[in-house]
Amino acid sequence: DGGITQSPKYLFRKEGQNVTLSCEQNLNHDAMYWYRQDPGQGLRLIYYSQIVNDFQKGDIAEGYSVSREKKESFPLTVTSAQKNPTAFYLCASRDLGGASDTQYFGPGTRLTVL
Amino acid sequence: RKEVEQDPGPFNVPEGATVAFNCTYSNSASQSFFWYRQDCRKEPKLLMSVYSSGNEDGRFTAQLNRASQYISLLIRDSKLSDSATYLCVVTLYNFNKFYFGSGTKLNVKP
Repeated sequence: DGGITQSPKYLFRKEGQNVTLSCEQNLNHDAMYWYRQDPGQGLRLIYYSQIVNDFQKGDIAEGYSVSREKKESFPLTVTSAQKNPTAFYLCASRDLGGASDTQYFGPGTRLTVL
Repeated sequence: RKEVEQDPGPFNVPEGATVAFNCTYSNSASQSFFWYRQDCRKEPKLLMSVYSSGNEDGRFTAQLNRASQYISLLIRDSKLSDSATYLCVVTLYNFNKFYFGSGTKLNVKP
């Protein structure tokens, strides 16, 4: 099956702990993105990457970190510095050279910090 | 000021009704426009791209008005399965960032 996978679907953590969210795609897409969605709000961009070993901060990068060691993988770490980490986290990818310039999303990870 | 603004709704309509959503964007340099659909507690999925000439896909019609900086989505003959939140999305010239509206919720009632 081609697509984007995120794991786990639900994640619970204690306050003060770092946590890493997984995002993998087998679509051979160049660009990958991390968004956060809070209830009643639109998606806000955390980080994005257009090429392996390179990534850029989005609008709300504070308290988050990412890596892009492989084209297929773009994990997001939510650190203890993130003041309000409970949210729905969505990963997306996009084919930079393709006919369509849209993004495709994974199923999301719902993070709850207790 | 938000890049993209939408009426949050909810729009409560009976089956078979025609419903229209509008979305305004603030940056005149915006290049690409999309409507996504998001079901409750699920990821957004592309509904349709929006082109300058307007485009139609079955019961769905999207329009772009660059002069007034808004896009619209028209749904004809609403079905129960159309109940969802509809997100308006725009990108700037370099396509690096996609700006999402907060969504318009549609409830189609029997």
